[in-house]
Amino acid sequence: SQTIHQWPATLVQPVGSPLSLECTVEGTSNPNLYWYRQAAGRGLQLLFYSVGIGQISSEVPQNLSASRPQDRQFILSSKKLLLSDSGFYLCAWSLQVPYGYTFGSGTRLTVV
Amino acid sequence: DQQVKQNSPSLSVQEGRISILNCDYTNSMFDYFLWYKKYPAEGPTFLISISSIKDKNEDGRFTVFLNKSAKHLSLHIVPSQPGDSAVYFCAASARNSGYALNFGKGTSLLVTP
Repeated sequence: SQTIHQWPATLVQPVGSPLSLECTVEGTSNPNLYWYRQAAGRGLQLLFYSVGIGQISSEVPQNLSASRPQDRQFILSSKKLLLSDSGFYLCAWSLQVPYGYTFGSGTRLTVV
Repeated sequence: DQQVKQNSPSLSVQEGRISILNCDYTNSMFDYFLWYKKYPAEGPTFLISISSIKDKNEDGRFTVFLNKSAKHLSLHIVPSQPGDSAVYFCAASARNSGYALNFGKGTSLLVTP
């Protein structure tokens, strides 16, 4: 069966520090991968999606970046965190179809 | 620019009654629509979906209606139960963007005994 792993579960980072959140999927090949963020009191905002290794589409310009070094690995990064980067980050995967979207358990990032 | 809109941030319904959650969208390229349910500090879980070629899909107590001409969809929960209390997100996707889901801001449903 397919599973998605996302870590860490919580993270407190000072302003200006780097960020690396990792997401891996097991049990499937060539999934579509996504990063979302839920800021306090707001909905789920699509940040990046990837339909293949090295293919990243950015939906919202900001100081975050994403990479997909392997088929089932998706990494969200920042060189210098801002206070406004605080939020709940969710990784998700799906096959090349409009349904079957599965989310990870999320990372609560607090930038202080 | 918010392409999927849920204009009601919260809804309170009595147990046993019908809950109706509404969603509007602006992108005519969307061809698949989904509802997700989310509890605090957890990832959203899929609830029900509908393709743009249909106008209704039913799964147990949950029914989703799609009105393409109005670019509107709704989720009906009948009968509502206290365990249904959660945040409900409407989402839409288009084939030409890798089926990435665009979410609304969510509606917090509270079902009271």
